[in-house]
Amino acid sequence: QSVLTQPPSVSAAPGQRVTISCSGSSSNIGNGNNYVSWFQQLPGAAPKLLIFDNNQRPSGIPDRFSGSKSGTSATLGITGLQTGDEADYYCGTWDSSLSAGVFGGGTKLTVL
Amino acid sequence: QVHLVEFGGGVVQPGRSLRLSCAASGFTFSSYGMHWVRQAPGKGLEWVAVIWFDGSNKYFGDSVKGRFTISRDNSKNTVYLQMNSLRAEDTAMYYCARDRAGRARLQIDYWGQGTLVTVSS
Repeated sequence: QSVLTQPPSVSAAPGQRVTISCSGSSSNIGNGNNYVSWFQQLPGAAPKLLIFDNNQRPSGIPDRFSGSKSGTSATLGITGLQTGDEADYYCGTWDSSLSAGVFGGGTKLTVL
Repeated sequence: QVHLVEFGGGVVQPGRSLRLSCAASGFTFSSYGMHWVRQAPGKGLEWVAVIWFDGSNKYFGDSVKGRFTISRDNSKNTVYLQMNSLRAEDTAMYYCARDRAGRARLQIDYWGQGTLVTVSS
């Protein structure tokens, strides 16, 4: 049971938009000192940073990917879906009560 | 560019020990916190441990607390994970990852390719 809750799977057609939610608590996402990151893991590969500091994109990440945070939840948005976006997506942050890093259980994105 | 390479994985019997290493290059290693994150076959990411830039603070996940230790040698640009009393459930790919901050709080920006640890008799 992960500290952060994500839907196990989402799907959408090419060109469409999808959102992935990440629900936490006041000790992790809801703590203003903790920032949410999102990671993409393509099949057979290591994870890769997509979003940091709740809503910032590293250089090289297209603006089709966006992040937001509200209260104790965060959301990853992907527009203009491509077949190459099929991957597992994870949210992660620090939990101040646990003094530990925490990840969501991961969401498998299928582009139909 | 940032490069992280993990070493030391393999097959080990339950109850035995193993030490993983992660060699870093392409950045000022002594300025950044470093994490270990693992992924069991077919499962999600599980945070294992973090060490601050100067080694002054270390934190561990509940499932490894008391069995695993993390250390670093800033003169060798290397972070280590000492794993003792290994169990079958420790079987996973172990990733080394860099934090964006020295006083790390899971703001990972770079990952290694991982090293596989299999605990089996």
